Amino acid sequence: IAGITQAPTSQILAAGRRMTLRCTQDMRHNAMYWYRQDLGLGLRLIHYSNTAGTTGKGEVPDGYSVSRANTDDFPLTLASAVPSQTSVYFCASSSGTLPGANVLTFGAGSRLTVL
Amino acid sequence: AQSVTQLDSHVSVSEGTPVLLRCNYSSSYSPSLFWYVQHPNKGLQLLLKYTSAATLVKGINGFEAEFKKSETSFHLTKPSAHMSDAAEYFCVVSDQGGTASKLTFGTGTRLQVTL
Repeated sequence: IAGITQAPTSQILAAGRRMTLRCTQDMRHNAMYWYRQDLGLGLRLIHYSNTAGTTGKGEVPDGYSVSRANTDDFPLTLASAVPSQTSVYFCASSSGTLPGANVLTFGAGSRLTVL
Repeated sequence: AQSVTQLDSHVSVSEGTPVLLRCNYSSSYSPSLFWYVQHPNKGLQLLLKYTSAATLVKGINGFEAEFKKSETSFHLTKPSAHMSDAAEYFCVVSDQGGTASKLTFGTGTRLQVTL
């Protein structure tokens, strides 16, 4: 079934540790995104990539980095995790960046707890 | 600048009764508006999208929303609630033609459906 696969689904992590959340899509979508979801705050964009080889900062990029080496994969890295990064992380994609190509397909999420 | 306000954080209805989830937006330009649904422990799924065509937009699972420019509203409705409609619903706004990296999410409305 076409879609977005995220891993891990859940992780508990000690503060200061490095963590990479993986995201893979098989729809050949050009654009990919990472959001965090926190109670009462909705979804906030962390980083995005309009096409392979390019990335951009979203609303809350501090403490996170991304790479886009190919079309399918868009990993999110926390270099040194802090408790405020405890959240549910969603990877999403869209077919392109032209006007109208702004409907998102989401993965099932990765729940991260930083102690 | 754009923003979106979901007026109710929690709505409870009885099965078979109408559903109304309220959303007001602010946008400098003609907006694109979306409703997404999130079932427990799942990613978000698109319910419907408005992009300046018909003001009454029909979505999946019997939901529809009406764009009212004079009231800057995009309320989501369904004539008869089903138990399977219990979920979190997000209203999303984008300036017309904006890419997905420019979407603004509301804080969500949790819909509870009781017998």
